[in-house]
Amino acid sequence: GNSVTQMEGPVTLSEEAFLTINCTYTATGYPSLFWYVQYPGEGLQLLLKATKADDKGSNKGFEATYRKETTSFHLEKGSVQVSDSAVYFCALSASTGFQKLVFGTGTRLLVSP
Amino acid sequence: GAGVSQTPSNKVTEKGKYVELRCDPISGHTALYWYRQSLGQGPEFLIYFQGTGAADDSGLPNDRFFAVRPEGSVSTLKIQRTERGDSAVYLCASSLLAVVDPRLNTEAFFGQGTRLTVV
Repeated sequence: GNSVTQMEGPVTLSEEAFLTINCTYTATGYPSLFWYVQYPGEGLQLLLKATKADDKGSNKGFEATYRKETTSFHLEKGSVQVSDSAVYFCALSASTGFQKLVFGTGTRLLVSP
Repeated sequence: GAGVSQTPSNKVTEKGKYVELRCDPISGHTALYWYRQSLGQGPEFLIYFQGTGAADDSGLPNDRFFAVRPEGSVSTLKIQRTERGDSAVYLCASSLLAVVDPRLNTEAFFGQGTRLTVV
């Protein structure tokens, strides 16, 4: 079946450090890929997405590129801020249209000043 | 409303009791989803509605779980004979699925969830 594997956390960084959170997936066909973020006390929010191979999703300084050859969708940010501290979830949707999402287990990011 | 609203935000119930969890989706969103998030895990799909009908209920764990959306807007997730293993955060999400023009489709917007604790 479809599945998502992402690196375990917590990831602890100092402000302005470079961030990578790894995500790989297993799916039949051509899924859409997503990163969701959950800030403390808030609901899940879509951070970025990519719907086909080689697409790059970007938002708020975060980027992820859909790599079909390596079945990966790693999240990167060049310079993290304390306000980026949150739990990040990689997810896929194998269906077009409706959002039946398969999530990874989440990676907690802690950024210190 | 401005976002997906879930009530109650917290629910503590005794083992064996019946509970109902409510979800108010974003106005105009045709699709509604329920997910369950256990501690330390990512959300797991339970059921999806398009309009009033359950289009995919493959994630419901057993027949103690049931969900309805009678008027195509508000949905209720119902759990009978609760067990301690049902303790989790139950998330609701909604999205627009435009049958005529798929370019209008939106991503899923999530509520803040209902934390269910079965004691």
